[in-house]
Amino acid sequence: LAKTTQPISMDSYEGQEVNITCSHNNIATNDYITWYQQFPSQGPRFIIQGYKTKVTNEVASLFIPADRKSSTLSLPRVSLSDTAVYYCLVETGANNLFFGTGTRLTVIP
Amino acid sequence: SQTIHQWPATLVQPVGSPLSLECTVEGTSNPNLYWYRQAAGRGLQLLFYSIGIGQISSEVPQNLSASRPQDRQFILSSKKLLLSDSGFYLCAWSVPGALSGNTIYFGEGSWLTVV
Repeated sequence: LAKTTQPISMDSYEGQEVNITCSHNNIATNDYITWYQQFPSQGPRFIIQGYKTKVTNEVASLFIPADRKSSTLSLPRVSLSDTAVYYCLVETGANNLFFGTGTRLTVIP
Repeated sequence: SQTIHQWPATLVQPVGSPLSLECTVEGTSNPNLYWYRQAAGRGLQLLFYSIGIGQISSEVPQNLSASRPQDRQFILSSKKLLLSDSGFYLCAWSVPGALSGNTIYFGEGSWLTVV
């Protein structure tokens, strides 16, 4: 399984763009990169998923370089409600999915 | 649409007592099912996963067990709880047999406090 490394925490002011990078040096050919968001006392929820280059949806963008050894989740113009823990997950679609400790994002007014 | 429910939402149990957390998924067939645990302020720890009825894989040896008596039912149990079993327990499911890009969907979670 590909291990992921993320910063433990980040702070940002409201209205700024936030970029959270995840390292996954041992990513396999079939692995996809998925990001989840978790609020306190709730289960994580899916944000975005990608395989290579760039993916964008209504919530975020995901940038993946050609070597796929890292990925960056970009949150445009964060608000206080974006304060949460963000998990980077690399998996092959196999039956066991492992989450790391995530990045705790705190948005400051 | 698919939904996942787990209960009870909160539970306070004495040390040495049994545990049963139940999870059901609606709107899909033969899902992959998972139990995760999250200690306060920590990341998610995968406890068990199942690819089918009666098929359980354990990731972490402990005094917990899981069972899947029906296709869309997943139960987490313990015969004797320990203080260290306290935490936030999450049931989850994913599409079976996905070759790639397997998204996982979580339930509401169950807070267990062992006293």
